[in-house]
Amino acid sequence: KAGVTQTPRYLIKTRGQQVTLSCSPISGHRSVSWYQQTPGQGLQFLFEYFSETQRNKGNFPGRFSGRQFSNSRSEMNVSTLELGDSALYLCASSLVSGGGDEQFFGPGTRLTVL
Amino acid sequence: AQSVSQHNHHVILSEAASLELGCNYSYGGTVNLFWYVQYPGQHLQLLLKYFSGDPLVKGIKGFEAEFIKSKFSFNLRKPSVQWSDTAEYFCAVHPDSNYQLIWGAGTKLIIKP
Repeated sequence: KAGVTQTPRYLIKTRGQQVTLSCSPISGHRSVSWYQQTPGQGLQFLFEYFSETQRNKGNFPGRFSGRQFSNSRSEMNVSTLELGDSALYLCASSLVSGGGDEQFFGPGTRLTVL
Repeated sequence: AQSVSQHNHHVILSEAASLELGCNYSYGGTVNLFWYVQYPGQHLQLLLKYFSGDPLVKGIKGFEAEFIKSKFSFNLRKPSVQWSDTAEYFCAVHPDSNYQLIWGAGTKLIIKP
């Protein structure tokens, strides 16, 4: 069974630009969660999608948005990039919604904002 | 606000030493508890989890964790570490009132050969 894949793996952008990250979950998983990981901060929850519906959202500004398609693939968009958005963005898929069971993580997208 | 605290951000041990990583959470209700590990250059993966039953749970690679409800703790242990245990370890808690996992800041473990 193929794991969670994320594209691209690395991105370099400048302030003010926007970026779209993609995540393909494990086949059969309908829940996709997005996290921002920075050194010393752990994982900060961005949002979760389940069956194309956003189920929950973390405390991030509206510049961070996402969506999920009918095949469970998900995209995350960050508009008007700021230096502080530089981080590793992780996607995780799960059979169940809400974070109550094991999540399977992708390799992440390393975003650098200059 | 609900939170998860991992007491040590960095731990350095020699091979064969015993390991205990602390994890405490702030929530008085029912929780599901997880430890995840991120080996260098690899994805985050589940080490072990606790939902209910025996509070001592065993995971992969000889790790175990004990849930002590009265102390709101879920500490990770391994009796004898190996160089290959070098990784970052994350504790995560799912409160029954919440719709997301709450993560600790992580502990970087370095094992000296």
